[in-house]
Amino acid sequence: EAQVTQNPRYLITVTGKKLTVTCSQNMNHEYMSWYRQDPGLGLRQIYYSMNVEVTDKGDVPEGYKVSRKEKRNFPLILESPSPNQTSLYFCASSFGRGGTDTQYFGPGTRLTVL
Amino acid sequence: GESVGLHLPTLSVQEGDNSIINCAYSNSASDYFIWYKQESGKGPQFIIDIRSNMDKRQGQRVTVLLNKTVKHLSLQIAATQPGDSAVYFCAENRAGGSNYKLTFGKGTLLTVNP
Repeated sequence: EAQVTQNPRYLITVTGKKLTVTCSQNMNHEYMSWYRQDPGLGLRQIYYSMNVEVTDKGDVPEGYKVSRKEKRNFPLILESPSPNQTSLYFCASSFGRGGTDTQYFGPGTRLTVL
Repeated sequence: GESVGLHLPTLSVQEGDNSIINCAYSNSASDYFIWYKQESGKGPQFIIDIRSNMDKRQGQRVTVLLNKTVKHLSLQIAATQPGDSAVYFCAENRAGGSNYKLTFGKGTLLTVNP
């Protein structure tokens, strides 16, 4: 089944403890992206990747890192999480450029930073 | 600033009625638009898209209309069913800027009453 998977689905952590949220797609998509979703603010893009080893900032990149060493994986790294990063996170992928083709979303990761 | 927005944050309809969800956009250079459905606890799911060289596109029970003159996008759902209850997002790209980015509206909550 074609899909985007994220792990973990739920995570509660404490301020300053490094964490990684994994994202994987099995559709051979070139484009991948991370979003956060907050009440009243909608979906905001954190980082995106056009292809392996090519990444760029979205609208809210502060406090996050990403890497794209393999085509199928695009992990999101929080080096020193803070409470304002408590949010619902979505990974997405697209065959084309992301802005010109359908983006397919994962199931989400709900992160709470205490 | 330019943004994607929605006219109605909530919409309640009776089962079997037709639903219309509206979206305004302000960037006349946008050339790709997409509607997503997000059910509670799930990631956004693609419904239908349309490019700016079209005015209308139909899918299964859904139709998207694009009015470039007034920068308006709508999603019509025929014979609305309880399973259609969800939050609906419109999104646009902004041609002329990055083609690697979609900008999302904040969403409309559709409630279908049996």
